[in-house]
Amino acid sequence: LAKTTQPISMDSYEGQEVNITCSHNNIATNDYITWYQQFPSQGPRFIIQGYKTKVTNEVASLFIPADRKSSTLSLPRVSLSDTAVYYCLVGDGTNAGKSTFGDGTTLTVKP
Amino acid sequence: DSGVTQTPKHLITATGQRVTLRCSPRSGDLSVYWYQQSLDQGLQFLIQYYNGEERAKGNILERFSAQQFPDLHSELNLSSLELGDSALYFCASSSSSDTQYFGPGTRLTVL
Repeated sequence: LAKTTQPISMDSYEGQEVNITCSHNNIATNDYITWYQQFPSQGPRFIIQGYKTKVTNEVASLFIPADRKSSTLSLPRVSLSDTAVYYCLVGDGTNAGKSTFGDGTTLTVKP
Repeated sequence: DSGVTQTPKHLITATGQRVTLRCSPRSGDLSVYWYQQSLDQGLQFLIQYYNGEERAKGNILERFSAQQFPDLHSELNLSSLELGDSALYFCASSSSSDTQYFGPGTRLTVL
């Protein structure tokens, strides 16, 4: 079971780039890294997924170093609406359901 | 809209009662996950089904049970309800990529 560690909270200002790092020291060879965003009283929403190096989509970028023991979610030019909890999840893609959500990082974006 | 539906949206009941929460996964997804999220808490994985079979079990109480039907919808049964069972219950579904798509949740209030 891959355990993840993230900062409990982060503050930022509108227009800044935000980087949230997740540690997953015992990631397995077949594990993917997936990030989710959750607003209060809503279900988590998929943001981005990667296996190694860098992945970019219209919302965020995900940086994964060669040893894959950590990953960094990068949100460019955040706005107030990006205030949410961000979860890093590590799983092996075999539907084993053994990856677990940690406590997440509460990002607060200020005007 | 994730494509995952959950009913009911809200449920208010009394201690000792039994309730059933329903989830319809995205079209084509074979895996269904159930999570519990208490106020200001993280997501607690309860159980996962894959194509009708139980695949993984998390922190699910013995008073709780679930099943996945041939049409792939799932139900979570909560019995002998206690005040502490009040929470948001999320269902998620996934295909082989392990990315989970969450429903809007059912808010259970036990009085």
